[in-house]
Order: sequence, then C-alpha cells, then structure tokens
Amino acid sequence: GQNIDQPTEMTATEGAIVQINCTYQTSGFNGLFWYQQHAGEAPTFLSYNVLDGLEEKGRFSSFLSRSKGYSYLLLKELQMKDSASYLCAVRADYKLSFGAGTTVTVRA
Amino acid sequence: KAGVTQTPRYLIKTRGQQVTLSCSPISGHRSVSWYQQTPGQGLQFLFEYFSETQRNKGNFPGRFSGRQFSNSRSEMNVSTLELGDSALYLCASSAGGPQETQYFGPGTRLLVL
Repeated sequence: GQNIDQPTEMTATEGAIVQINCTYQTSGFNGLFWYQQHAGEAPTFLSYNVLDGLEEKGRFSSFLSRSKGYSYLLLKELQMKDSASYLCAVRADYKLSFGAGTTVTVRA
Repeated sequence: KAGVTQTPRYLIKTRGQQVTLSCSPISGHRSVSWYQQTPGQGLQFLFEYFSETQRNKGNFPGRFSGRQFSNSRSEMNVSTLELGDSALYLCASSAGGPQETQYFGPGTRLLVL
C-alpha cells in the first residue's frame, strides 16, 4: 500500500505564499494528484504530476521528485477563498490513495 | 459536459438496514471509483469498476459491494449497516487509464442511527 504524509494544518495571510509538502512511499507509481476540498463539498482536481519537475497553473504550482518520494503544492497570492483542505493523492496500480489532507486557513 | 452525479445526496438509516447509492459518471468515462470519507480516517478507497468489472478493491468488509452497468453508471450497496458506516460516500469517474484524472461527484452523506 501507500504511506502518504502531509502536514495537518497551515495558516497564512491573504496575499502570501504557502507550500504544502507531501511525502509518499509506493510501488507501481502512476502519478501524483492534488485536490482541493472545501468543507462539506467534494474534492476538486487541482494538479497532476507524473514526471519530475514543476507544473504551473495560474496561482497554483505543483512539484514532484519521484526519486525522493516528494511533492509540494505551492499556493501564491493567497485569497480568502483558498481556505480549504488540500489532499495529496498517489496513483498506483489503478488505485488512488489519499493523504489525510492539510487544512489551510487564510487570514486577512 | 455534465459532471459526476450521485443520488441520493442525503440518507438516514438505522443499524441493520441496507442502503444502495448511485453514481452516474461523466459522459464517456468508463471508470467509476468509490470512496468513504470520515473525519477520523480521511478518504479511503472502496473499489473501482471499469467496463462492468471490478478492477480494484480496498480493505473494506464484504458488506460493501458494488456493480457497474453497461452505461457505466455504478451502484454501491452496504448491507447490515453499522453506526461506523456513517460517512460521506464519494464516487469519482475517469476515462480509465492509469494516469487519468478522477473527477468527484458531490457525494452522498449517510447517517446511520
């Protein structure tokens, strides 16, 4: 199975940058996904990495190092609406396993 | 394209009853995965169906079962409900390849009394 670790909580100020780290151990790696989940809602897809390096999508960027079993999600120019849980998920052998999620609180 | 839909959205059952939840994937998607989400355990994988066949299974008891129809719609069934089955049940659909993104439905919130 997969062992996926990410911090439980992070707090940042509006307009700032926050980096959410995710480490994992797995075999049969097919990619790493980041999802955003607001309270009471379903997860929504943010980004996908299967090769090493940085993927940028507007204010959100995600990085992957397969050799280190490490990824991070970078949220820039934080807005109040970014307050949510961020889930790191690893795909292996057609199965998607999720970390426990990182709750990000954005303060004015 | 319409997103993933799930019915019902909310459900209240009592211990010992059974429940059936339904999921309609995004048009053209052939894979449907089911997850259970609870505050204590997070998102846990139940099973995945692809072209009417169960392709993968998580570590849940046999009381949890599912099936997929020829139109890719999927149902999951939980028999002999326990209090601990209270959770948000999410389904996600994808095209089915190993690197395809999964898109989630709004979920069914089940409360077992």
